[in-house]
Amino acid sequence: DVKVTQSSRYLVKRTGEKVFLECVQDMDHENMFWYRQDPGLGLRLIYFSYDVKMKEKGDIPEGYSVSREKKERFSLILESASTNQTSMYLCASIRAGVNEQYFGPGTRLTVT
Amino acid sequence: RKEVEQDPGPFNVPEGATVAFNCTYSNSASQSFFWYRQDCRKEPKLLMSVYSSGNEDGRFTAQLNRASQYISLLIRDSKLSDSATYLCVVNKRNSARQLTFGSGTQLTVLP
Repeated sequence: DVKVTQSSRYLVKRTGEKVFLECVQDMDHENMFWYRQDPGLGLRLIYFSYDVKMKEKGDIPEGYSVSREKKERFSLILESASTNQTSMYLCASIRAGVNEQYFGPGTRLTVT
Repeated sequence: RKEVEQDPGPFNVPEGATVAFNCTYSNSASQSFFWYRQDCRKEPKLLMSVYSSGNEDGRFTAQLNRASQYISLLIRDSKLSDSATYLCVVNKRNSARQLTFGSGTQLTVLP
């Protein structure tokens, strides 16, 4: 069974803190994605990676960075969290040449 | 103009009703189209891909109109378990891997 896991379901951080969100997939997928989902705005792509150590900016990369040291793991980093980064963060993965994206359960991050 | 636009709803329909959602997209070069379903407080999951000729999966029928750049989803004989948010999804310009998600249409099926 396909599985994408995220390190936390709920997270509360203070403004200015460095935040790490981890995502692990067990399907040997090449491509991994980080989205944020906000009411009325839908899912917006932050960053994606199509191979180890490779990354590309999505639609809203400002304030975020990513790391992919191993194929199965894709990390999202908020260098200095701000209140406007309060959101639901969803990780997804997809095999090259296939269309279906598999999502993790999401991390609801609150920055106070 | 948003890349993918959906009527947010909510659509409240009685059990057994037929309900249809439409979605418009702006990128005429898009090649891949999907409907995802997202239950409350859960992650999105693929419901069905949308093919040029239209396709059906049980009570669900998806249609694509390239000329008018819209996609539709028809649900027949709706069940309580169909209550969810339905996301229209299109691949981004010049990319098969990146997807653009609509903000979703909320459906509630009432007993």
